Amino acid sequence: GDSVTQKQGQVTLSEDDFLFINCTYSTTTYPTLLWYVQYLGQGPQLLLKVTTANNKGISRGFEATYDKGTTSFHLQKASVQESDSAVYFCALVWDSGYNKLTFGKGTVLLVSP
Amino acid sequence: DMKVTQMPRYLIKRMGENVLLECGQDMSHETMYWYRQDPGLGLQLIYISYDVDSNSEGDIPKGYRVSRKKREHFSLILDSAKTNQTSVYFCASSPTGREQYFGPGTRLTVL
Repeated sequence: GDSVTQKQGQVTLSEDDFLFINCTYSTTTYPTLLWYVQYLGQGPQLLLKVTTANNKGISRGFEATYDKGTTSFHLQKASVQESDSAVYFCALVWDSGYNKLTFGKGTVLLVSP
Repeated sequence: DMKVTQMPRYLIKRMGENVLLECGQDMSHETMYWYRQDPGLGLQLIYISYDVDSNSEGDIPKGYRVSRKKREHFSLILDSAKTNQTSVYFCASSPTGREQYFGPGTRLTVL
């Protein structure tokens, strides 16, 4: 079945550091891949979407790309700020018509000033 | 502004009591979801609703049931709550099944 693996449980950075979070996926179809961000005390919110058509998404200084060859997708930001501290989830869209997402376990990003 | 609301935000119940969590959305989305979130486990899908009275089990439906009598309202019911159902519960809605809009969550503690 479709699955997504997000191995980085926590990432600790200083302001202006480069951020790179990686997820790998397994699916028999061409996926749509999403990144959600969850700030403390809030529900997750959609950050970026990447499809096989565009290979890349950009929003709020974050960039998401995916690599079909290695079935992995990445979230990166050139210079993180303390306000970027949150939990970041990757998610895979099932293209089976069931309107379901498969979420990774999330990566906690802590950015110190 | 798209909005998903959840009530209550915090709830403490004793084991064996019944629990009702409410979710509302003002976007006329057909599809709605209930998830629970536990540390280290991410978001786990409990139930999905495709429209009024059209509900389907998610990955962890045991111990839960749902009700959707109006498109804008989706309830999660725990009959005889258990301590292992202590968690944060999120409701979400979606126009397409891909981009989901989440509510602020309900923190449930079962003593």
